[in-house]
Amino acid sequence: DQQVKQNSPSLSVQEGRISILNCDYTNSMFDYFLWYKKYPAEGPTFLISISSIKDKNEDGRFTVFLNKSAKHLSLHIVPSQPGDSAVYFCAASFQGAQKLVFGQGTRLTINP
Amino acid sequence: EPEVTQTPSHQVTQMGQEVILRCVPISNHLYFYWYRQILGQKVEFLVSFYNNEISEKSEIFDDQFSVERPDGSNFTLKIRSTKLEDSAMYFCASSRTVPGNTIYFGEGSWLTVV
Repeated sequence: DQQVKQNSPSLSVQEGRISILNCDYTNSMFDYFLWYKKYPAEGPTFLISISSIKDKNEDGRFTVFLNKSAKHLSLHIVPSQPGDSAVYFCAASFQGAQKLVFGQGTRLTINP
Repeated sequence: EPEVTQTPSHQVTQMGQEVILRCVPISNHLYFYWYRQILGQKVEFLVSFYNNEISEKSEIFDDQFSVERPDGSNFTLKIRSTKLEDSAMYFCASSRTVPGNTIYFGEGSWLTVV
């Protein structure tokens, strides 16, 4: 089941720079997308979401972009801070379904 | 800020034993979920629960698994006869509505089957 894919297992970014995490999906029925951040031995923490009727949603340092034609979304973090170092999961859901389908996650490391 | 709480944080059990994982969802939420993450793998959906019944379940959620809301606040996952491959982090989650909802996760219960 590869409906949601995060092709980069890891990403390393300098503190203060922009972090861009990518996610692709195959199921065109997905209409709601979320990003979660996860520290080791903790549960996923909700960061930001976007509905398919939008192409951008912004919350402070976090912006999510959705390109429906490419079935691609990205999370931008700017400026990146050391506390942003974690595993980031994208997840998707669709009308009538209650479950989230997760990607494999990308480990983000912010270097001082 | 309201949060989902889970107990125990870590449990070690022998193969074949029954395990119950407990959760207290966020109080005004109506939908409850269990997810799991086997070490190094994706977070996977197990089951959703609404209005005192299972509303959706995955292929993983076979007859060995059951869920219950025994009172107004707790939500439990029972594994009747644990197998080695049940070793994983189990996350309880809740949301107010579906779809287009935000699901909030607990910190997880790490289950080790030996």
